[in-house]
Amino acid sequence: EVQLLESGGGLVQPGGSLRLSCVASGFTLRNYAMSWVRQAPEKGLEWVSTISTSDGSTSYADSVKGRFTISRDSSKNTLYLQMNSLRPEDTAVYYCAKYITGSPPPRCFDYWGQGTLVTVSS
Amino acid sequence: DIQMTQSPSSVSASVGDRVTITCRASQGISSWLAWYQQKPGKAPKLLIYGASSLQSGVPSRFSGSGSGTDFTLTISSLQPEDFAIYYCQQANSFPLTFGGGTKVEIK
Repeated sequence: EVQLLESGGGLVQPGGSLRLSCVASGFTLRNYAMSWVRQAPEKGLEWVSTISTSDGSTSYADSVKGRFTISRDSSKNTLYLQMNSLRPEDTAVYYCAKYITGSPPPRCFDYWGQGTLVTVSS
Repeated sequence: DIQMTQSPSSVSASVGDRVTITCRASQGISSWLAWYQQKPGKAPKLLIYGASSLQSGVPSRFSGSGSGTDFTLTISSLQPEDFAIYYCQQANSFPLTFGGGTKVEIK
């Protein structure tokens, strides 16, 4: 059974840093593109970042480019999101999400974690 | 960036009703469109990908159609468990973008 379990959220001051983790089980993380998607309180969904399978290339939303870094550790089957220079507008539930299978893989998500809340406030 | 516009933003319907939600892309995205259902406090759930392919395990009362810029999600006979917020997402190019959501409420 595929499962994604995020952790690492919490309260941080503006300008601070956090690292989110997403432990995958039931599949091999490096074989699938993975993304982070966030949802501000009472708002819609916003794609944050994707890491591809083959060469590990990465893509970012303009709102986080230069501040956030997506990565993975295949030995731990874990996805990460390093978040620096955090702003109040980064406050959201952050979900990790797995790309659906396909060739090429459609850029949509068949499995999601339960989410971890990041609150940026002084 | 490709903007995704959903309509209506909310709809009130009764059990058994047919419900249709529309999503329009600001430029052509072929069939690179997905639909998700989200219930309060839960992660989104994939319903439809490739504009019209039903995700495994999703009831057949859900269907998707469209290509290019105009897409539709239809629930043929609304069930109590279908009251939720529905989002479309373009999967054509980065940055991936979502529609603003459509809340399906009990009438």
